[in-house]
Formats: sequence, structure tokens, C-alpha cells
Amino acid sequence: EAGVAQSPRYKIIEKRQSVAFWCNPISGHATLYWYQQILGQGPKLLIQFQNNGVVDDSQLPKDRFSAERLKGVDSTLKIQPAKLEDSAVYLCASSLGLANYNEQFFGPGTRLTVL
Amino acid sequence: TQLLEQSPQFLSIQEGENLTVYCNSSSVFSSLQWYRQEPGEGPVLLVTVVTGGEVKKLKRLTFQFGDARKDSSLHITAAQPGDTGLYLCAGAEGAGGTSYGKLTFGQGTILTVHP
Repeated sequence: EAGVAQSPRYKIIEKRQSVAFWCNPISGHATLYWYQQILGQGPKLLIQFQNNGVVDDSQLPKDRFSAERLKGVDSTLKIQPAKLEDSAVYLCASSLGLANYNEQFFGPGTRLTVL
Repeated sequence: TQLLEQSPQFLSIQEGENLTVYCNSSSVFSSLQWYRQEPGEGPVLLVTVVTGGEVKKLKRLTFQFGDARKDSSLHITAAQPGDTGLYLCAGAEGAGGTSYGKLTFGQGTILTVHP
């Protein structure tokens, strides 16, 4: 079974530039999550989708971050414009559904460096 | 926002030693998960504990969920270099399993086991 795919794996940009990350979840997984993991910290949930609808985006900085999952499968996360403090690993995860006990499967992440 | 505090933040031990990592909160969680993350990869689920006082064993790893479902511990017996990694605890909010799979992560414990 293929895991969660993410691209690119690494991205270096200058502040005020835009960047987009792509995630393809495990086939059949209805729930998709985007996390931000700053060096030395645990992942922080940015947004959670159930199929193509948003379940929770309370910690997404909506003035600069946006995410979509138009067809309920793959998803993109965009930052526009980027700030220095956005330097982090962006992790995508998926699970079968919304139940608390469902295992979340994580992709390898995209490491973003903002100069 | 519920918080999870892990301790210690860093742990450096010799092969064969035992260790315990703690995860504490002032909030009640409906379930708690432990993940292990290696450099350049996403977290991988080790265990989910659901019932207060529950103890689960996974080979040399023992996981315990506090009676009040506010804290948890991970004990590793006879650590090996292959155990090296970042250990994360993550709690699912709510007491009734209705928090739609949202996880709050601790900041992690970086474990290094020297041969």
C-alpha cells in the first residue's frame, strides 16, 4: 500500500515570495490534515479536511495561508506571502475517518526555509 | 487550546539502559497516542491508549495512560541504538470521542542511544 506522498521535499524561498505544497493521501482515506512542525517542537495542526470540506482551520493564519482539497483526494497548501517564521516542516497526514482512534499516517514532509 | 508537556526534552543514554518519558496535561483527553519520528520522515504511530489506567506493551516498550486520562508515560527497557529518534505524545481532545480526530502534540523528547 502506497503511503502519503508529498512534494516538494525541500523548498527555499525569500520572504514575501509565495510557495505551494502538494499532498496525495492514502487511497480511500477521507480525512486529510496539514501540520506545521517548527524545529524542536511537535506538529501543530493547521487545517483538517473531511473529503472536500473543512472540519477545523482554527489555527491556520488565514491572512497568508490557504489550503484546498477540491476533489476530496489530493490537497495543496499555499503560503502567500511567506515570512521568516514560516520556516518549518509541513507535514500532511491522512486517516480513514474522523474517529479519535483512527491512526493518522504521515507523509515525509516538506522542509521550507524562508530567507 | 489543550497543552501537552513532555519531559525530558532531551535524553542521551547508553545501550542497555532503561528510560521513561512523561507526557502531562491539565486537560482530559479521550485517547492518547505515542509516535516516533526519525529525521526526514513523518511521525509513525506506536500505540493508542484509550482507557484510564490502561497499560500496553509493545516488545520492550510499555505505555501507560493515567487514571484521570491527563497524563501518560512511555518506558523503554534495555534501550538499543535503533530506538534513537523523536518521541511524540498526542492527545485527542474531548471526553466523549467527538473531537473529530484532532490531535494536540507535545513538543517531543529527543532520545539518543549510544552503542
